[in-house]
Amino acid sequence: GAVVSQHPSWVICKSGTSVKIECRSLDFQATTMFWYRQFPKQSLMLMATSNEGSKATYEQGVEKDKFLINHASLTLSTLTVTSAHPEDSSFYICSARDQRLAGFIPPENEQFFGPGTRLTVL
Amino acid sequence: AQTVTQSQPEMSVQEAETVTLSCTYDTSESDYYLFWYKQPPSRQMILVIRQEAYKQQNATENRFSVNFQKAAKSFSLKISDSQLGDAAMYFCAYRSGPGVSNYQLIWGAGTKLIIKP
Repeated sequence: GAVVSQHPSWVICKSGTSVKIECRSLDFQATTMFWYRQFPKQSLMLMATSNEGSKATYEQGVEKDKFLINHASLTLSTLTVTSAHPEDSSFYICSARDQRLAGFIPPENEQFFGPGTRLTVL
Repeated sequence: AQTVTQSQPEMSVQEAETVTLSCTYDTSESDYYLFWYKQPPSRQMILVIRQEAYKQQNATENRFSVNFQKAAKSFSLKISDSQLGDAAMYFCAYRSGPGVSNYQLIWGAGTKLIIKP
């Protein structure tokens, strides 16, 4: 199946610094990528939908200036947590939609998930 | 707006036994997809099984099967012959059908499955 990677897998940073997380589709092109946040023992919370070549669509309550998303190519989306604070500590997961499945009804599995990035802000 | 409810925060089952995880959802749409995802301790999300709403036949994948009751808006997951490797968080998810552009998944709260050896 299609593979999505995330880098780094974990990161520790000081409060006030910025952290960039990369999400890559390794063997397919992804016009759409999703960014999620997951707190311990909780479900996934969608933060934003990232479309290649256009601005990301943020969910209500997610600060656009805090969580910068760039989807500059069909295989890469980045999430930058700016001026990180301890409350931003969380597990961040991306998923990518394989555009080859577009129009194929029904799609076998149109979203593929990355392994996640654990962010700890001290 | 659509919602997904998993009312069982935690379930446990003896190894080799059968367990059923519950999921209900609310929607006014007639065409949609339902999924069960597994998240083991590694945190990697793994698709377990999917169901298209227009199909009356319940989906099955080896030891995993669903009981899809469209009228009742219920979508339970049955795991037969439970194995230690089945221990994980299980999430039920909903996606609107074709014609919806955002392809977003709506997630349940999850059920932690414990396998007793």
